[in-house]
Amino acid sequence: DQQVKQNSPSLSVQEGRISILNCDYTNSMFDYFLWYKKYPAEGPTFLISISSIKDKNEDGRFTVFLNKSAKHLSLHIVPSQPGDSAVYFCAASAQGNQFYFGTGTSLTVIP
Amino acid sequence: DTGVSQNPRHKITKRGQNVTFRCDPISEHNRLYWYRQTLGQGPEFLTYFQNEAQLEKSRLLSDRFSAERPKGSFSTLEIQRTEQGDSAMYLCASSLEVGGYTFGSGTRLTVV
Repeated sequence: DQQVKQNSPSLSVQEGRISILNCDYTNSMFDYFLWYKKYPAEGPTFLISISSIKDKNEDGRFTVFLNKSAKHLSLHIVPSQPGDSAVYFCAASAQGNQFYFGTGTSLTVIP
Repeated sequence: DTGVSQNPRHKITKRGQNVTFRCDPISEHNRLYWYRQTLGQGPEFLTYFQNEAQLEKSRLLSDRFSAERPKGSFSTLEIQRTEQGDSAMYLCASSLEVGGYTFGSGTRLTVV
C-alpha cells in the first residue's frame, strides 16, 4: 500500500516561472518529511526537509509547505531554472527511521 | 571524499549467483540505510543500522538477502541465489541521527 503518493508523474514549466510539486500521504503518524532530487544515473540528492511542528520551510529558491490536516505537502521552486530539470521524490517517516518515498515527479524546465 | 560511496556502480550477474555490494557512509554518520529502487518507483526501504546494530528489516528483505555492518562503519549487502526480480538499483544512505539522508550513487544490479 503506497503511503506516500505523488500523483503527477511529470510537470513542465517555463524557465523563470514557479514549479509546484505535490505530495500526499496517508499515515497520520508521519512527522518528518523530505524532498529529494534525482538526476539520471545518480543517487537522490537531499533538497529540503520539514518537521510536523512547522507548516513552511524555506531554503533559497525552494520552499516546502506542509498541510497536516490535508496530509499534503508541496515543494515550490521559484524561479525555476533549466538545471532544476530532474525527478523529485517526497519522503515521509514516523520517528525518522524508515522513510517512505513517493513514485516521483519528473520536472522539465523549458528554457 | 565526504560523500557516501558505493561499490561497484554496476553489476551484471547470472541468475543463481551470489553478489555482494559495499557501502562506505560519511564517517561521522552513525545511521546507515539500504534501499532498493526499481524503474518508475521511489526507493523502497530494505534495512537500517544504527552503528553496528541492525535495527529494522523490511519484509522485502527475503532470506536470500543479508546485510552487515561489522564495525559500525562500512556495510555490505549480499544477495544469494539471485533472481531476475532482484534487478534494481540498490541505494545506500547515511545520516547522523534524525535528518536528511545522504545517498550514495547506488549499485545497479542486472540479473540475466
